[in-house]
Amino acid sequence: AQSVTQPDIHITVSEGASLELRCNYSYGATPYLFWYVQSPGQGLQLLLKYFSGDTLVQGIKGFEAEFKRSQSSFNLRKPSVHWSDAAEYFCAVGASGATNKLIFGTGTLLAVQP
Amino acid sequence: NAGVTQTPKFQVLKTGQSMTLQCAQDMNHEYMSWYRQDPGMGLRLIHYSVGAGITDQGEVPNGYNVSRSTTEDFPLRLLSAAPSQTSVYFCASRRELGANVLTFGAGSRLTVL
Repeated sequence: AQSVTQPDIHITVSEGASLELRCNYSYGATPYLFWYVQSPGQGLQLLLKYFSGDTLVQGIKGFEAEFKRSQSSFNLRKPSVHWSDAAEYFCAVGASGATNKLIFGTGTLLAVQP
Repeated sequence: NAGVTQTPKFQVLKTGQSMTLQCAQDMNHEYMSWYRQDPGMGLRLIHYSVGAGITDQGEVPNGYNVSRSTTEDFPLRLLSAAPSQTSVYFCASRRELGANVLTFGAGSRLTVL
């Protein structure tokens, strides 16, 4: 069965520092992978996605993620965090086959210190 | 385009009451779904639909009913609300079966007393 693990529940970084949010997935075939961001009181916004091809994908707001099949990981990175990046981040996995289900991780809450 | 519109944004119910959360999209998306979001549990799929007249269960379907009479609308019904259904509910849709990029509504916060 598909599953997603985000091992960090809460992360605090200083503004201007680099960021890496971890995501590990479990899926037998080639997955579709996503990162979504949720600002307080808002819905989820897609940051980036991986379907195939180049394993380093660029997203909006300066974020990138790297798909590593050998590690079953899809970590999200940003070289310099801004205060407006404070939000909750969700990794999700979807099957590349016939299933319609997108499985989400439990989320990582990012706090940014001035 | 309005995207995915959910109503109401907030609702308080008493145990045993019924209500319907509305979801409408104007993007002609075939696929629509309902998730609930609870602290520490991420988003869990309740029900989904791949087109008008077709619905199926997700991870946590108990206590919820859905129907899909039109492409645009996908209401979620709670027939007899329970405190365990206190949550934030999100409706999401996507354009076609193979493309898994979901567009989310802004959410509906439900409290069951």
